[in-house]
Amino acid sequence: QKEVEQNSGPLSVPEGAIASLNCTYSDRGSQSFFWYRQYSGKSPELIMSIYSNGDKEDGRFTAQLNKASQYVSLLIRDSQPSDSATYLCAVRMDSSYKLIFGSGTRLLVRP
Amino acid sequence: IAGITQAPTSQILAAGRRMTLRCTQDMRHNAMYWYRQDLGLGLRLIHYSNTAGTTGKGEVPDGYSVSRANTDDFPLTLASAVPSQTSVYFCASSPDRTSTDTQYFGPGTRLTVL
Repeated sequence: QKEVEQNSGPLSVPEGAIASLNCTYSDRGSQSFFWYRQYSGKSPELIMSIYSNGDKEDGRFTAQLNKASQYVSLLIRDSQPSDSATYLCAVRMDSSYKLIFGSGTRLLVRP
Repeated sequence: IAGITQAPTSQILAAGRRMTLRCTQDMRHNAMYWYRQDLGLGLRLIHYSNTAGTTGKGEVPDGYSVSRANTDDFPLTLASAVPSQTSVYFCASSPDRTSTDTQYFGPGTRLTVL
């Protein structure tokens, strides 16, 4: 079992819709969770971080964390074609301070 | 402020050759990291450094070495390149190596080993 799992996609949504990206992790002791966006041929850039159970909103982005179920999700409201990218989930496992990345979900927003 | 710079942008290398990928940051971050990114495998940590003068092994360290002589620079060396080291290499940094720090990535180096 991978430590951080994501569906590779592509997830295709129409412009204006809500895109829902999911991530599960294996280490119950994990405390810090991050979502990075990576455009093709570019480096990852941080878009959201979340540390406690519940929702965290930032503009059109909402991160959701459920430690009991060991999943973290990212919702993108009013999706735009410019949101088309690969979204990487990353989990910091406190036992070693390593940041473990999922393999990413490719999102396509259709105009 | 440049953030993190990497050089070269891309490189084609013959197997068996030695290669050093350069990484420099101007944010005075203590922690630095090297990742490789391969299709379907995501980002994997090669080596890291918590602070100048210290380094540690990540998930896939074999065939790579690093040094951290000062805060700003963190070069990655392939002593004798092999085709399986064909990948995109990202350098990253964070203010410190605590649980809430975020990592900032450089633009990457695309390396092809023939």
